[in-house]
Amino acid sequence: GAGVSQSPSNKVTEKGKDVELRCDPISGHTALYWYRQSLGQGLEFLIYFQGNSAPDKSGLPSDRFSAERTGGSVSTLTIQRTQQEDSAVYLCASSFRDGLYEQYFGPGTRLTVT
Amino acid sequence: GNSVTQMEGPVTLSEEAFLTINCTYTATGYPSLFWYVQYPGEGLQLLLKATKADDKGSNKGFEATYRKETTSFHLEKGSVQVSDSAVYFCALRITQGGSEKLVFGKGTKLTVNP
Repeated sequence: GAGVSQSPSNKVTEKGKDVELRCDPISGHTALYWYRQSLGQGLEFLIYFQGNSAPDKSGLPSDRFSAERTGGSVSTLTIQRTQQEDSAVYLCASSFRDGLYEQYFGPGTRLTVT
Repeated sequence: GNSVTQMEGPVTLSEEAFLTINCTYTATGYPSLFWYVQYPGEGLQLLLKATKADDKGSNKGFEATYRKETTSFHLEKGSVQVSDSAVYFCALRITQGGSEKLVFGKGTKLTVNP
């Protein structure tokens, strides 16, 4: 079946611009996670959605970052006024219910801020 | 706080050599532990997991045992192949207040030469 998909696969943007990253989780998966993978920081948790519950945004690095999940499915991560330190690979993962089930990761979006 | 420390890479081995990648963790309670693998050009995928003390996770010839007394989850394989060349991440699952996330180590790059 289809895995987690993310778009775009690559995004180059100028400093100060806004960007939107999209994640399509596996159908039927209620849990959705965003992580960031960068050379300096490794893999960091950003945000967690579970069904219709309020998301856990504790990992978002600043108020320039926001995310939403519409209809319990597709999620969008938005970064406003991008900075060079935002350059990283943004990974989305989903799982059937919670982390006791495997988290399936998407291929990631590589963001480069120039 | 919750953290994972794994041995720094890169690690270079010859085919059929024995592999150990050390991983230790700090956490409250008894988290589930995971090894994820990222093959070149591919997304993160679960390699193995253990959910309680003394559990042994195994897959594709890799093994790791959850050692509560040493807070460790070392990855081992008796005879590596060129196809095992990848980056390996140790991770623990944190659940708190209805939320959850994976906390990852920095990753260890393994190169296996023929």
